[in-house]
Amino acid sequence: DIVMTQTPLSSPVTLGQPASISCRSSQSLVHSDGNTYLSWLQQRPGQPPRLLIYKISNRFSGVPDRFSGSGAGTDFTLKISRVEAEDVGVYYCMQATQRITFGQGTRLEIK
Amino acid sequence: EVQLVESGGGLIQPGGSLRLSCAASGFTVSSNYMSWVRQAPGKGLEWVSVIYSGGSTYYADSVKGRFTISRDNSKNTLYLQMNSLRAEDTAVYYCARSPGTTRDYWGQGTLVTVSS
Repeated sequence: DIVMTQTPLSSPVTLGQPASISCRSSQSLVHSDGNTYLSWLQQRPGQPPRLLIYKISNRFSGVPDRFSGSGAGTDFTLKISRVEAEDVGVYYCMQATQRITFGQGTRLEIK
Repeated sequence: EVQLVESGGGLIQPGGSLRLSCAASGFTVSSNYMSWVRQAPGKGLEWVSVIYSGGSTYYADSVKGRFTISRDNSKNTLYLQMNSLRAEDTAVYYCARSPGTTRDYWGQGTLVTVSS
């Protein structure tokens, strides 16, 4: 199974400042079809997960452009350019190249 | 409008069985790959099972041999039959349409508590 490792596990951020979360996979996420099925999800308290980014860097419908994704192969990053209060929650990376596995989650909190 | 509504959760004793349902509207279940994902209290997300449009099914090692994913095309509903339940199966169970794709959509979840 592909293991997804996120860092940091907790990220205190000042409102208006940037935030960054890293995700590393135990093997390449490049699928045989040439795509890399790495996504980022946000889970606000008491809510189901919400897709933010798919295939490394594509913003899902309705996601603000302050969210961006980058990376390749086994190393990926989610960046929030300016954190807002509504961004508080837990962020997960997810691979769907080989079945589905999730990272442990990164808790974003406001300082 | 797309909707996924899970039901069937509740309190069940260890060793018991439960069937979760995920009623879909606004799209056709059989035309998408559908997954069950669970989240134990205070923990992260764990993938449980997937059924592809062609009918292939796969399971996490933690539930293999105990859980069965299926769908009823006439009812446009996804199911998860859970047998030999254990305390560690206690979680909110979400059904999701094609997670991580442009067709991604998640239900609100249903809570399963395994306890005597």
